Parts: sequence; C-alpha cells; structure tokens
Amino acid sequence: DAGVTQSPTHLIKTRGQQVTLRCSPKSGHDTVSWYQQALGQGPQFIFQYYEEEERQRGNFPDRFSGHQFPNYSSELNVNALLLGDSALYLCASSLAVAGEGNQPQHFGDGTRLSIL
Amino acid sequence: GESVGLHLPTLSVQEGDNSIINCAYSNSASDYFIWYKQESGKGPQFIIDIRSNMDKRQGQRVTVLLNKTVKHLSLQIAATQPGDSAVYFCAENFNNAGNMLTFGGGTRLMVKP
Repeated sequence: DAGVTQSPTHLIKTRGQQVTLRCSPKSGHDTVSWYQQALGQGPQFIFQYYEEEERQRGNFPDRFSGHQFPNYSSELNVNALLLGDSALYLCASSLAVAGEGNQPQHFGDGTRLSIL
Repeated sequence: GESVGLHLPTLSVQEGDNSIINCAYSNSASDYFIWYKQESGKGPQFIIDIRSNMDKRQGQRVTVLLNKTVKHLSLQIAATQPGDSAVYFCAENFNNAGNMLTFGGGTRLMVKP
C-alpha cells in the first residue's frame, strides 16, 4: 500500500523563479493538503484540495497556488520565489468521510526547497 | 538527513522508562487532535488521534490524554525505545476550519541507551 509520495526530494532555485512540486496521495485518499515547514518549526497549512477545488487556505500570499487532478494527485506552484520561501514543503492526504468529522492526515517526506 | 527542530524543547529519557510529552493547544473550539512523530529527513508520521468527546485514547505503547478545561494534550510513551527518538508535534483542528491542522512548536525526545 503506497503512502504519500512527493517529488522532487530536493530543489534549488534562485530568487524570482517559479517552482512546481508534486504529490501523489496515499492509495484510497481523495483530499490533499500542503504545508510549509521552516527549519525548527512545526508545519504551517498552505491550502487543501478536494474534488479538484481549493477548499481551504491558510495565511499565504497568492504567489502560492495549486491544482488537484482527477486521479487526486496535486501540484503546488510558487511564483516569484523569495529567500524566505526556503523550507520543507509537505503534502498530506486524507479521506473525506461524510458525517464522521476529521480524518487523520498522512504526510509524505516532503520536498526541500532552497532559494539562492 | 537534515535536522528538524534545532532549538526545540528537549526531553531526555532512559531507554525502558516512560515518556510524557506535553502540548498546550490554542483554540478552545478545537475538536480533533493528532500527535505526529518526525524523524530527521522525513515527514511527520501519524501516531494517534483523539476527538474532543474523549479524555483518553490508547494505542500500541502510546496513550493520549486530553484536558479540555486547561487546553492541554499529552502523549505518553511506555517503555521508551531508541527508535522513539524524534521530534513530536501535536496538531489541532476545529471542524469549522475544514481539515486544516494547526501544529504546535514540537518537542525533541532523546532516548539514552
């Protein structure tokens, strides 16, 4: 049973560039969330996708955008990269179960993005 | 692998002892809580969850306690092993926020052999 997979594992970009990160959810999951984790801190919620739509968004500028595909996989795009965007970007997946409240989110190992 | 949590609070325990990791959560409306374990170079790994209609939940070697009166969550690990060494995060969610998790700052657990 494949867990959450993310690609690439590491990426180096320069200021002003654009980046796309990819995520395949755990088998059977239909909801994908993205988080940013700075060194020494807990993950911070960026946004969540369900049924190919952004359902929830955290306190991140619109330079951060995403997409979910019919097979539930997802992309995170960041435009006009800043030095402060250097972080570990984590994807988490879960299964939406009507009437049963929140379900556990399972994380991938992330993409380490470094901005020079 | 990279280091997670360079300046986190640290709990150091002897192998075989029980560990208790504490977490204060922020939102009294939160109704779902999760504990995650994060090893260096890896993503957070789900340990156990608890809903606000419960005070205690047990898993394999782990117990989570929830005190809603003081907004406190704890994770107890029985017979701590070297493989338990990691950074532990609590996360909270309130249903009005969909499935958005808000994470605490984390605690580093070091197990001495």
